[in-house]
Amino acid sequence: GNSVTQMEGPVTLSEEAFLTINCTYTATGYPSLFWYVQYPGEGLQLLLKATKADDKGSNKGFEATYRKETTSFHLEKGSVQVSDSAVYFCALSPYTGTASKLTFGTGTRLQVTL
Amino acid sequence: GAGVSQSPRYKVAKRGQDVALRCDPISGHVSLFWYQQALGQGPEFLTYFQNEAQLDKSGLPSDRFFAERPEGSVSTLKIQRTQQEDSAVYLCASSSRDRKNSPLHFGNGTRLTVT
Repeated sequence: GNSVTQMEGPVTLSEEAFLTINCTYTATGYPSLFWYVQYPGEGLQLLLKATKADDKGSNKGFEATYRKETTSFHLEKGSVQVSDSAVYFCALSPYTGTASKLTFGTGTRLQVTL
Repeated sequence: GAGVSQSPRYKVAKRGQDVALRCDPISGHVSLFWYQQALGQGPEFLTYFQNEAQLDKSGLPSDRFFAERPEGSVSTLKIQRTQQEDSAVYLCASSSRDRKNSPLHFGNGTRLTVT
């Protein structure tokens, strides 16, 4: 079946540091890949997505590139801010069947300090 | 409001009680999903509706879980004879259609605690 593995947290960084959160997946065919973010007290929000190999998703300074050869979709940001503190979830959407039947990773908590 | 609304925000139930969780999707959204999120885990798919039709219920963990969306709008997730392992946050999400380019909009969830 489909699965997503992401690095365990918490990840603690100083403001303006470089961020990488690793995500790898197992799936048949060509899934779509997503990063969702959950800020404290709020619901899950879509951060970025990529629907085919070599696509790069980007939003709010975050980027992730769909790498089929390594089955990865690592999240990066060049300079994090305190306001980026949240839990980040990597997810995939299956190639066939219900498009929004997402499989999520366990989430990575990011804490950014001044 | 513009977002997905879920109620109650918190629910405490004694083991063996029945509970009903409500979801108001974004107006006009055809697709509605329920996910279960255990503490420290990612959300897991429970069930999917397209309008009033329940097209996929493969994620429902047991026959104690039942979901409905009778008029293709509001949805209710019912859990009968609650058990401690049912304690989780239940998330509802909607989208305008079930397409890879149609984003899912999540509600804030209902946190269920079974004592």
